[in-house]
Amino acid sequence: NAGVTQTPKFQVLKTGQSMTLQCAQDMNHNSMYWYRQDPGMGLRLIYYSASEGTTDKGEVPNGYNVSRLNKREFSLRLESAAPSQTSVYFCASSPGTVKAQPQHFGDGTRLSIL
Amino acid sequence: GQQVMQIPQYQHVQEGEDFTTYCNSSTTLSNIQWYKQRPGGHPVFLIQLVKSGEVKKQKRLTFQFGEAKKNSSLHITATQTTDVGTYFCAGSTGNQFYFGTGTSLTVIP
Repeated sequence: NAGVTQTPKFQVLKTGQSMTLQCAQDMNHNSMYWYRQDPGMGLRLIYYSASEGTTDKGEVPNGYNVSRLNKREFSLRLESAAPSQTSVYFCASSPGTVKAQPQHFGDGTRLSIL
Repeated sequence: GQQVMQIPQYQHVQEGEDFTTYCNSSTTLSNIQWYKQRPGGHPVFLIQLVKSGEVKKQKRLTFQFGEAKKNSSLHITATQTTDVGTYFCAGSTGNQFYFGTGTSLTVIP
């Protein structure tokens, strides 16, 4: 059982480039989340999805888009990367449909924007 | 803005000493969750507290939820080097959910 799988693990982008972070879970969980983690800031929610086809903005959604492709997959897209988006990005999942309580996290994507 | 404050930000202890981190909210929380993140790793869910005054134990870890449901603590008895990492609390208020800034624990052998 892989749990929550994120790809890629590392990425370096130039300002203005676009990219999509992929996330998949194999636990049949309903809820999926995207967080970013910056030093001294804890984890901040970017977007949340309670079920396939539904998404909801979190604390810091600006500059990001998401897509809940199916129950397993939840992708995060940066359309025009900015240096302020340099961060570690974590995808998470939980079995419930409440906008809270992420339980299982992926290993993270370390993203640098030059 | 940040709804859940956590102190201290850093803590260095000798192996065998106890450790406590505190989590405080300005508003009443529905529940609180605790996570541990090893250096370079991802957050791992430890426990959820829901009831006012609730106390739960996991081996050497004791979690408490305040009577007013505005604060919580995690206490580790007789720390070991395997306890190294950052401990985060996260609280729910209505449909919002906020992580604290974490307490980074260093254990000196």
